[in-house]
Amino acid sequence: DAGVIQSPRHEVTEMGQEVTLRCKPISGHDYLFWYRQTMMRGLELLIYFNNNVPIDDSGMPEDRFSAKMPNASFSTLKIQPSEPRDSAVYFCASSRGGRGLGYEQYFGPGTRLTVT
Amino acid sequence: EDQVTQSPEALRLQEGESSSLNCSYTVSGLRGLFWYRQDPGKGPEFLFTLYSAGEEKEKERLKATLTKKESFLHITAPKPEDSATYLCAVHGSSNTGKLIFGQGTTLQVKP
Repeated sequence: DAGVIQSPRHEVTEMGQEVTLRCKPISGHDYLFWYRQTMMRGLELLIYFNNNVPIDDSGMPEDRFSAKMPNASFSTLKIQPSEPRDSAVYFCASSRGGRGLGYEQYFGPGTRLTVT
Repeated sequence: EDQVTQSPEALRLQEGESSSLNCSYTVSGLRGLFWYRQDPGKGPEFLFTLYSAGEEKEKERLKATLTKKESFLHITAPKPEDSATYLCAVHGSSNTGKLIFGQGTTLQVKP
C-alpha cells in the first residue's frame, strides 16, 4: 500500500511568494494532520481534519497560513505571503480513528521549505 | 493540559551497550502511548502503541514498556543502524485523534 504522499519534496521560494504544499493521505484514513518541524521547536501540530472537516487549527501560526481538505484523498497547506521564518520541514500525517482503533499516525516524507 | 517529556535529549552508546529512553507523561485519560523513530531527512516512522500500564511490546532490539506515569524504550545490544531520533506521543481522552509529542531523544550508536 502507498503511504502518505507529499509534494513537492523540496521548495525554495523568495519572501512574499505564495507556497502550496500538497498531501495525499493513506486510503481509508479519516484523520489528516499537518505538522511543522524545526530544530528549535521540534514537531508542532498546525491543524488537523476529521472526515475532511477542520477540527483544531490552533497551531496555525497566523493568518498567512491556510489549509483545506476538499475531499478524502487530498489536502493543501498554503502560505501567503511566505517569510524566511517559515523555513522548516512540513509533514503531513494520516490516521484511522474510532472505537477499538489505535489512532496511530503515519507520516509522509515531508516537504523541506526554504524561504529566502 | 496533556504533556510529554522525554529524557535524555541525546544519548551516545557504544555498539552492544544496552540502555533505556524515558518518556514521562501527564494526560487526562490515556487512550494510547506511541513510539516513533525518525531518521534524518525522513518522516517519523511508527514503532509501537501501548494502551495500559503493564503492557510491553517488542520489535527486534527494541522493547517498549508502560506505567501509569511513564514509558521506557529499552534498546538491547544496539547497532549503529539504531541511530535515530526516538519520539514519544500520547493520545488523551480530551484530544480525539490528536497526539501530543515529546521533543525526542537523539540516539547515536558508535561501532
